[in-house]
Amino acid sequence: GAVVSQHPSWVICKSGTSVKIECRSLDFQATTMFWYRQFPKQSLMLMATSNEGSKATYEQGVEKDKFLINHASLTLSTLTVTSAHPEDSSFYICSYSRGGQETQYFGPGTRLLVL
Amino acid sequence: RKEVEQDPGPFNVPEGATVAFNCTYSNSASQSFFWYRQDCRKEPKLLMSVYSSGNEDGRFTAQLNRASQYISLLIRDSKLSDSATYLCVVNKPGDTGRRALTFGSGTRLQVQP
Repeated sequence: GAVVSQHPSWVICKSGTSVKIECRSLDFQATTMFWYRQFPKQSLMLMATSNEGSKATYEQGVEKDKFLINHASLTLSTLTVTSAHPEDSSFYICSYSRGGQETQYFGPGTRLLVL
Repeated sequence: RKEVEQDPGPFNVPEGATVAFNCTYSNSASQSFFWYRQDCRKEPKLLMSVYSSGNEDGRFTAQLNRASQYISLLIRDSKLSDSATYLCVVNKPGDTGRRALTFGSGTRLQVQP
């Protein structure tokens, strides 16, 4: 069964609004989660690493003030796209790995469309 | 140069065919290698890890050549259900224990009846 959930699965919003995406681990306490973004016909790109109880680590070129990450508990990380613009329209996916295992578990993704 | 490069395809093959995908990665410090499968508009799912000794899982065989920084995936006896995009994935070297991944852009496979 699913071990990672994301909500919402899709969202359409107007330009300038903020959108919050939740990522929950269902059967595991995750100290680290990852947020990826995938534009059409492109690869998944790591945006940031979400660390429980501390600041997220952002990849080069990802604006931390635009993509706010909060990992307040071991089972929940949120990504907020602030003042969304059409170029932020993408597929956002979270993932985590269990302890020392290499396998990563991906959420089902959130499709964002900004009009 | 992209960190992980793949031929985008598409590969159109008949059922029962054998098909091979190749991938190269640029960071010699990478330690973990995978093939993921991604269906249209879905999240990626792990197909198999890749080891230097080569590994096989049913109809799927993966190989890693560290010297050439080259990874391959062979699919035998293709099924219609194998139609998907296959992603070559390596770990992002850096902090110990970090599990972030670098994805190739994927190779699309279409198996036809």
